[in-house]
Amino acid sequence: AQTVTQSQPEMSVQEAETVTLSCTYDTSENNYYLFWYKQPPSRQMILVIRQEAYKQQNATENRFSVNFQKAAKSFSLKISDSQLGDTAMYFCAFMKHGSNTGKLIFGQGTTLQVKP
Amino acid sequence: EAGVTQFPSHSVIEKGQTVTLRCDPISGHDNLYWYRRVMGKEIKFLLHFVKESKQDESGMPNNRFLAERTGGTYSTLKVQPAELEDSGVYFCASSQVDRGPKAFFGQGTRLTVV
Repeated sequence: AQTVTQSQPEMSVQEAETVTLSCTYDTSENNYYLFWYKQPPSRQMILVIRQEAYKQQNATENRFSVNFQKAAKSFSLKISDSQLGDTAMYFCAFMKHGSNTGKLIFGQGTTLQVKP
Repeated sequence: EAGVTQFPSHSVIEKGQTVTLRCDPISGHDNLYWYRRVMGKEIKFLLHFVKESKQDESGMPNNRFLAERTGGTYSTLKVQPAELEDSGVYFCASSQVDRGPKAFFGQGTRLTVV
């Protein structure tokens, strides 16, 4: 069975600075997807970034980038130039490739506070 | 396009009562998922519909939970009778079959059983 672990329950960062959220996972699968989702307070969860395990290049979406270390089963999220709107709970998630269910396996979440 | 809509946004009920949560997926999305986050823990998968059929209900905790998706449109999740440990946030998500692994989530329903 797959597991996802986020070891940082809470983090804070000053506006305009860079922060990295950690995520590790365990799987025997060779091909899969990894995701970071963001849930702002009282709002819906949205996809921040997605990584396909067979791609060596780290995914990037504007200020958000990942450090995907397949051998170490690590998938950290780096937020550059943090903005107040980045304040949210961030969830790391795993999905088997080719899965006919699309079932996501989530970590426990990290609450990020961006301070002015 | 309208997103995934869940209601109510909050519900407080007494132990032993019945509660029904509703999810309206994005129009045209055949896949519909229910997830639950119990306080402080990870979000856990409950079940998956493809249109009106249950594709995977391996995450349903027990037979007090009943999910339906009549007509393959909106879905309901009924808890009867509710227990204290059912408290948490229930998320619904939907996706299109042919658009890859991208699920769109609702804002969740926070259920408190007292």
